[in-house]
Amino acid sequence: EAGVAQSPRYKIIEKRQSVAFWCNPISGHATLYWYQQILGQGPKLLIQFQNNGVVDDSQLPKDRFSAERLKGVDSTLKIQPAKLEDSAVYLCASSSSGNPKDTQYFGPGTRLTVL
Amino acid sequence: LAKTTQPISMDSYEGQEVNITCSHNNIATNDYITWYQQFPSQGPRFIIQGYKTKVTNEVASLFIPADRKSSTLSLPRVSLSDTAVYYCLVGENAGNMLTFGGGTRLMVKP
Repeated sequence: EAGVAQSPRYKIIEKRQSVAFWCNPISGHATLYWYQQILGQGPKLLIQFQNNGVVDDSQLPKDRFSAERLKGVDSTLKIQPAKLEDSAVYLCASSSSGNPKDTQYFGPGTRLTVL
Repeated sequence: LAKTTQPISMDSYEGQEVNITCSHNNIATNDYITWYQQFPSQGPRFIIQGYKTKVTNEVASLFIPADRKSSTLSLPRVSLSDTAVYYCLVGENAGNMLTFGGGTRLMVKP
């Protein structure tokens, strides 16, 4: 079974530039999560999708971050404009449903460096 | 929102049993307790999950007392490859929000 795919693996941009990350979840998984992990900290949930609808985006900085999950499969996370404090690893995860009991399967992450 | 507290770091030696305790005083009735393991440059990986009493799989055991305000992940006979960060996660049923704490950085020495 293929795991969660993310691209790119690394990205370096300057502040105020835009950047986009892509995630392809495990086939058939209805729920998709985006997390932000700052160095030395645990992952912080940014947004949760159930199919192509948003379940929770309460911790997403909506003035600069946006995410979509067209057709309930792939998802993109965008930052515009980026700030220095956005430097982090962005993790995508998927699970079969939105139940917290379900195992989340994580991708390798995208490491973003904002200069 | 159930908050978790874990030790920041632990050291152990190969072959020893390691117990990592997580406190979650505000755990809700429907919450499950899940532990993840994370190696550098990788996403977290599921280890074990439980609701109450004891759960065991091929990798670890999870002990949960009756009041469920804490849980202990037990890793039998650790090896160098068990060096990682371990996260305790408590699932909030309402709102479907899952919160990772700071994790415990386990260092296994030869």
